[in-house]
Amino acid sequence: EAGVAQSPRYKIIEKRQSVAFWCNPISGHATLYWYQQILGQGPKLLIQFQNNGVVDDSQLPKDRFSAERLKGVDSTLKIQPAKLEDSAVYLCASSSPGGTEKLFFGSGTQLSVL
Amino acid sequence: SQQGEEDPQALSIQEGENATMNCSYKTSINNLQWYRQNSGRGLVHLILIRSNEREKHSGRLRVTLDTSKKSSSLLITASRAADTASYFCATDPIQGAQKLVFGQGTRLTINP
Repeated sequence: EAGVAQSPRYKIIEKRQSVAFWCNPISGHATLYWYQQILGQGPKLLIQFQNNGVVDDSQLPKDRFSAERLKGVDSTLKIQPAKLEDSAVYLCASSSPGGTEKLFFGSGTQLSVL
Repeated sequence: SQQGEEDPQALSIQEGENATMNCSYKTSINNLQWYRQNSGRGLVHLILIRSNEREKHSGRLRVTLDTSKKSSSLLITASRAADTASYFCATDPIQGAQKLVFGQGTRLTINP
């Protein structure tokens, strides 16, 4: 079974630039999550999709972050404009119907904002 | 906000010894899960324990849950160098949106 695919693996940008991350979840997984993991900390949920609808985006900084999941499969997370404190690993995860019993994570995108 | 607090933050032991990590949380939960993260990689699900369970085993892993104390422990027996990783507990709160809340993690180093 193919895992959760994420790209790019690394990204370096300057502050105020924009950046986008892509995620392809495990086939058949209805729920997709984007987490932000700052160095030395645990993952923090940014947004959760159920199919192509948003379940929770309470911790997403909506003035600069946006996410979409068209057709309920792939998802993109965008930051515009980026700030220094956005430097982190952005993890995508998916789970099968039934919700939060077991999440499958991608390898993440490591973002450095200079 | 992060509900789980792992203890210790870092643990270094010799290969073959047992490693114990603890997790405390604040609100009532449906289940508690443990994940492992190798350096530079995503998280891997290890084990899930439901709120009505007290102990669960999976290979060299043993997880306990005490809902009265809102705490859990993860025991790794006969540790190996490959167990070197960060370990996170994640809780599924009863109240609020259905989502997992991760703790800060324990960095485990197994010395050969």
